[in-house]
Amino acid sequence: AQSVAQPEDQVNVAEGNPLTVKCTYSVSGNPYLFWYVQYPNRGLQFLLKYITGDNLVKGSYGFEAEFNKSQTSFHLKKPSALVSDSALYFCAVRDAIAGTASKLTFGTGTQLKVEL
Amino acid sequence: DTAVSQTPKYLVTQMGNDKSIKCEQNLGHDTMYWYKQDSKKFLKIMFSYNNKELIINETVPNRFSPKSPDKAHLNLHINSLELGDSAVYFCASSPRVASGAEQYFGPGTRLTVT
Repeated sequence: AQSVAQPEDQVNVAEGNPLTVKCTYSVSGNPYLFWYVQYPNRGLQFLLKYITGDNLVKGSYGFEAEFNKSQTSFHLKKPSALVSDSALYFCAVRDAIAGTASKLTFGTGTQLKVEL
Repeated sequence: DTAVSQTPKYLVTQMGNDKSIKCEQNLGHDTMYWYKQDSKKFLKIMFSYNNKELIINETVPNRFSPKSPDKAHLNLHINSLELGDSAVYFCASSPRVASGAEQYFGPGTRLTVT
């Protein structure tokens, strides 16, 4: 069974500082990895994904993530945090070879708080 | 134009009632999903349809019945509502099943059962 772990319930960072939101995963085959962001009382918005190719992927709003196969990690990063980045972030994984029954499994979410 | 829309946005009802939530996507996607987000923000898939065919049916009580009249619509009907059904329900869509394509989420329907 596939799974995603987000070890931090909350991450606090000062505006202008770099931020990292951690994610590790487990799948049988090759992973498709995703990051989504959820603002209060809103649906999830797609940020970025890793399918294949370069391990460093860039996404919306200046976010990027690095796929590390040996550590089974896909940490989300941003060089300089903004107060407006404060939101709930979800990492998700799906098995690339699981066929039509393949489903997206989400982590438990990490609340990012960026303070002035 | 709203890509994935859900109605209603809020639903407050009493235990034992039957209610429906509607979802529509105008993205031309083949695959649609229902997710449940509980009070701790944990997100779990309930159902998935591909071109009106049910392809994922998680361990969800039989009181929940999805219906897809066409590939742009996926509705969720819930019978005999229970307190534990209180949650936010999200509809989502993606271009095709079993791919690396991202999913597009609707704004959610907050269901409160009293």
